[in-house]
Amino acid sequence: DAGVIQSPRHEVTEMGQEVTLRCKPISGHNSLFWYRQTMMRGLELLIYFNNNVPIDDSGMPEDRFSAKMPNASFSTLKIQPSEPRDSAVYFCASSFGGWSDGYTFGSGTRLTVV
Amino acid sequence: KQEVTQIPAALSVPEGENLVLNCSFTDSAIYNLQWFRQDPGKGLTSLLLIQSSQREQTSGRLNASLDKSSGRSTLYIAASQPGDSATYLCAAPNSGNTPLVFGKGTRLSVIA
Repeated sequence: DAGVIQSPRHEVTEMGQEVTLRCKPISGHNSLFWYRQTMMRGLELLIYFNNNVPIDDSGMPEDRFSAKMPNASFSTLKIQPSEPRDSAVYFCASSFGGWSDGYTFGSGTRLTVV
Repeated sequence: KQEVTQIPAALSVPEGENLVLNCSFTDSAIYNLQWFRQDPGKGLTSLLLIQSSQREQTSGRLNASLDKSSGRSTLYIAASQPGDSATYLCAAPNSGNTPLVFGKGTRLSVIA
């Protein structure tokens, strides 16, 4: 298996622009998680899906952030409009059979908003 | 709400030394706990997953223990090598069987 695949690896955008991050979970995994990592706050959960349904989005910082999972093999995290404080590394992770099997992380997307 | 704390924040040791990384969590009603490694600028690599029914897990030179009653886990690295230099992250569910909450990590440097 190719693991959890995220794209793009790096994204540099201007403030106010729309940014879309993409994630392909491991085939057969039924849970998907979006995390954000910063030096100050570490890794924070933004939102997670179970069987393509959003379960908890309380970690999404503002209405500028939205996430979708239209099918079991694809998810997006969108920021519109982007702001410099959104600069961070965004990770996607997936898990099978609930949480008991552990998480597999993607390589992350490093977002820089200038 | 689960809080995960890792001590120390940074650690520097000479090559060959055995070392212990500590992790504490506030909500002991967890199903499992997971240790990860993160190299600079890279993603997270899972090292060990300990189920709540287990007390420890081993993989090569790594051994992780779990004591739910005291809310603690340790990661033991035997005969450390420069290639072990990385940040080690501990993560536990928010409660029961919910998404992982991460500690801030321990940045390990193994000096040759």
